[in-house]
Formats: sequence, structure tokens, C-alpha cells
Amino acid sequence: KQEVTQIPAALSVPEGENLVLNCSFTDSAIYNLQWFRQDPGKGLTSLLLIQSSQREQTSGRLNASLDKSSGRSTLYIAASQPGDSATYLCAVKRITGGGNKLTFGTGTQLKVEL
Amino acid sequence: DGGITQSPKYLFRKEGQNVTLSCEQNLNHDAMYWYRQDPGQGLRLIYYSQIVNDFQKGDIAEGYSVSREKKESFPLTVTSAQKNPTAFYLCASSTGDRASYGYTFGSGTRLTVV
Repeated sequence: KQEVTQIPAALSVPEGENLVLNCSFTDSAIYNLQWFRQDPGKGLTSLLLIQSSQREQTSGRLNASLDKSSGRSTLYIAASQPGDSATYLCAVKRITGGGNKLTFGTGTQLKVEL
Repeated sequence: DGGITQSPKYLFRKEGQNVTLSCEQNLNHDAMYWYRQDPGQGLRLIYYSQIVNDFQKGDIAEGYSVSREKKESFPLTVTSAQKNPTAFYLCASSTGDRASYGYTFGSGTRLTVV
């Protein structure tokens, strides 16, 4: 059974700091990994999608890496801003188990302080 | 703009009552999904549909029912058999069965039992 873990569960940093969020998964048989952002009481916004054959994806100040063999992904946020405060979720699309299904981590709650 | 619309935003259910959550998408996506989110837990899959007139149970389908009569619509009914329905419900869609595609999420419906 695929399990996805995100560490830390919560993180508070001063504005301008670079930071790394971690995601690990137990079964390396995945099609892709997707990072999402969720604001309180809102839906999920897709940030980056990394295919299993890729090592990283970049979008603006965000960079996500994938090491499938070790079951790890990181989301790097450069020059953090208060507007980055949100919960960040990673999800893997698994190959086994049938259907087109994602397994989610429980998220990292990020607070960027002035 | 293309996207997923969930309604209502907030829903209150009395004990023993069935309620239906709406999910509509104009992205021309084939596949649609329903997830449940509880505090401190990852998103859990309730039902999914990869094509019109077909749907499959997810990990926590008991007490829920769905239909997929149109490509654009995937309503979720929370029945009286669901013993703990208070949660945040998220609808998602993806282009289809291609493993490489990512997911798009709606803004969610918060259901509370009163």
C-alpha cells in the first residue's frame, strides 16, 4: 500500500528565506507526483507536476525535484513571501491498485512572517 | 475560463437526511473524482468516474452514491448511512486515463451535520 509522508507538518519562516518542503513515498511504482497549494477553507491549486521520467520542474520561485528510486520529492521555495503562507500537499499517482488514483500526504502548513 | 464548480460552498444536513453535492466542469475532462478531507488526514478517495455512465468505488465509498449521466457533471449524494459526514468535500477532474495527466480541483463544499 502506498503511503505518502510530508515533513515537517508545520513550518514558520521569516520573509525572504529560502525553504524546502519534503515528501516521501513508500512505493516507487508511480506515474507522476504533483504538488498542490491549499489556502484555508479553499480547494487545491496545482503548483507543479513531475512525470516519473523527470528529475525536476520549475515554475517561477518554485522548484520541485523527484528521486523516484529513493521515494522522495522536495519543493523548494525561493525568497519566500507572506503570500506563500498556505498548506502544501504532495500527491503521487500510483501504478498499482487500479484506476487513475492519487495518494496524498497530510501536508505541510507554511507560515511566512513579516 | 475553464474550471470546476462545486456548489454549495456550505451545506448543513440534519440527522437521517440525504444531501447532494454538485460538481460541474467545463474542461472537457473525461475523468472525475470525489475526495473527502478531514483535519489532520490526507485526502481520501470516495468515488471516481473515468467515463460517462461508469464509476468505481474509492477507498471510503460506504454511505455515499454518485452518478455520471453527463460528461460535465458528477454529483455526490451523502446518504443517511454515512455515520460521520461532517467534512470538506473536494471534486477533481483529469483529462482521462493517461497516466501522465495531472488533476484539477474545485473549491470544495463544507458539509456539517446539525
